[in-house]
Amino acid sequence: SQQGEEDPQALSIQEGENATMNCSYKTSINNLQWYRQNSGRGLVHLILIRSNEREKHSGRLRVTLDTSKKSSSLLITASRAADTASYFCATDGIMMEKTDIRSGNTGKLIFGQGTTLQVKP
Amino acid sequence: DAEITQSPRHKITETGRQVTLACHQTWNHNNMFWYRQDLGHGLRLIHYSYGVQDTNKGEVSDGYSVSRSNTEDLPLTLESAASSQTSVYFCASRRAGTGEQFFGPGTRLTVL
Repeated sequence: SQQGEEDPQALSIQEGENATMNCSYKTSINNLQWYRQNSGRGLVHLILIRSNEREKHSGRLRVTLDTSKKSSSLLITASRAADTASYFCATDGIMMEKTDIRSGNTGKLIFGQGTTLQVKP
Repeated sequence: DAEITQSPRHKITETGRQVTLACHQTWNHNNMFWYRQDLGHGLRLIHYSYGVQDTNKGEVSDGYSVSRSNTEDLPLTLESAASSQTSVYFCASRRAGTGEQFFGPGTRLTVL
């Protein structure tokens, strides 16, 4: 079962513009993470936001989380051609089953289907 | 530098054969995970392990098995490969007590 639904599925912008991607999920979470995947490569972790946080920044990335709406957004400001990639949100469940006891979260990431971002130079 | 590697990177096999995909990490992470990535489904969790001798089923575990005899390795075995198991497989690890997962480069498996 897919937890995250991402919107849009594809996004094409010009270099220098901002890119916004949205993610919705279905169940309660411990945290939500965003990953980037370049074509033919593995996923790279971008940012993690905990369920008690509302906004987080990392460089040109800004993530928001609205647990009442079960949604998150990723904003990439001043995009570059090198930002061209697929972006995935992933949710990590709360401690309702077997967990890694030191973290209290399961580590069982449930991914959305991703947003493919193309940044044109 | 510490890293996570997968081998082979590409594999073609026939239906019914047993296949083992290797995953090795040098971070000494307790937690390791196997995912498969298919068009239209994103990444889905196959199996995971919180430590040596610990293995657990994920969302799509049928037809797959794992074993964890040491901290560094979590091999994924397809007992009898099926065409539906044609996919790209990713291994990941994380340090206990954290959320971020580190992914390997992936193995592209084709079952004919």
